[in-house]
Amino acid sequence: EAQLVESGGGLVQPGGSLRLSCAASGFTFRSYWMSWVRQVPGKGLEWVADIKQDGSDKYYVDSVRGRFTILRDNAKNSLYLQMNSLRAEDTAIYYCARDSSQGSGWFFDYWGQGTLVTVSS
Amino acid sequence: DIQMTQSPSSLSASVGDRVTITCQASQDINNHLNWYQQKLGKAPKLLIYDASNLATGVPSRFSGSGSGTDFTFTINSLQPEDIATYYCQTYGNYVYTFGQGTKLEIK
Repeated sequence: EAQLVESGGGLVQPGGSLRLSCAASGFTFRSYWMSWVRQVPGKGLEWVADIKQDGSDKYYVDSVRGRFTILRDNAKNSLYLQMNSLRAEDTAIYYCARDSSQGSGWFFDYWGQGTLVTVSS
Repeated sequence: DIQMTQSPSSLSASVGDRVTITCQASQDINNHLNWYQQKLGKAPKLLIYDASNLATGVPSRFSGSGSGTDFTFTINSLQPEDIATYYCQTYGNYVYTFGQGTKLEIK
């Protein structure tokens, strides 16, 4: 069965940088779009970014475009989120998720357990 | 971007009750509507995709319906383990959008 394990979260000062990682197993990683989704503790879900199978296409939510970069290494079955110029409002649990489709609609069929990022001085 | 309006924001029901949550899209999204369950401290779990298709391993008491802009998620015969927050989600114009969530409690 597919498994996603995030790492790299922690406490960082405003304006700082952090790189999240997601290790994938149990499926052919290079065949899937992948996403990052975040959640402020106690609040709702917000999609952050996704990346095409070969890394050639990437999309971002407006609030992180230009500050965050989504990356992948298919040889290592790994997804990354490079987060720069971090703000207090980026504080959240960050989930790695697999994009999937059975036709024309898109959804997330597997999720990691999440990693907490706290931006505070 | 597509906006999703989910209601109610919270709901209290008894074991055995039928529970209904609605989600309205700001524009026609065909059947591109999915439902997730998130238990406290856990990652979301896909329950329904493409408005009415049950994800693998999901109990048949969960169901979804709708098309266009109006969608419904139903739990028939609520069980204690269904305590969770439920989210709708769609995709359009290269953006994924979630509803605000419905927190379900047992009376």
